[in-house]
Amino acid sequence: DAMVIQNPRYQVTQFGKPVTLSCSQTLNHNVMYWYQQKSSQAPKLLFHYYDKDFNNEADTPDNFQSRRPNTSFCFLDIRSPGLGDAAMYLCATQNSRGIGPDTQYFGPGTRLTVL
Amino acid sequence: AQKVTQAQTEISVVEKEDVTLDCVYETRDTTYYLFWYKQPPSGELVFLIRRNSFDEQNEISGRYSWNFQKSTSSFNFTITASQVVDSAVYFCALSEANSGGYQKVTFGTGTKLQVIP
Repeated sequence: DAMVIQNPRYQVTQFGKPVTLSCSQTLNHNVMYWYQQKSSQAPKLLFHYYDKDFNNEADTPDNFQSRRPNTSFCFLDIRSPGLGDAAMYLCATQNSRGIGPDTQYFGPGTRLTVL
Repeated sequence: AQKVTQAQTEISVVEKEDVTLDCVYETRDTTYYLFWYKQPPSGELVFLIRRNSFDEQNEISGRYSWNFQKSTSSFNFTITASQVVDSAVYFCALSEANSGGYQKVTFGTGTKLQVIP
């Protein structure tokens, strides 16, 4: 059973045209993360939600926004995609309610192409 | 600052050979967690193992084994009798203990393993 679902798996957009990527989870985890992964690189954390609290990484461009309307869903909005934003976008979830960090579980990713 | 080094960028082995992926980490924390993830060509990061800094016991899971040595700050991953399905990029990762509720994970740059039939 899929636990972290990302839609779509592949997204093509045009330069400057807003795009939204979706992540949902069935794990009831309270923390959700968005990572950007460019070719042959490690995943780079963009931001995360701890419950409803949004936390932006210092070097995440303003072009990237996120919404979490409820525990299960989290969206990544790219307001004006540039060619440099072409990448794999990974969503991850984590249960942070216990003592010590639990493992992050990743979705299959959305591969974004910018034309 | 935390750092994870995977010096091997790419490794090719012939099927059924054993292969070890190296991981060296740096951290000032006394409590931390180490992970290995597998990323097949499909792109999903698949969790393989988590080890906390208090537990240096090595672990074996089927053809996979992990060697954690705090003295050398290493957390190496060995695949025994490799198979074509093991072909993927493998990431070693490090996180600090839970502080403030979220887990900042530092990933290595990954090792691409190609298993040749």
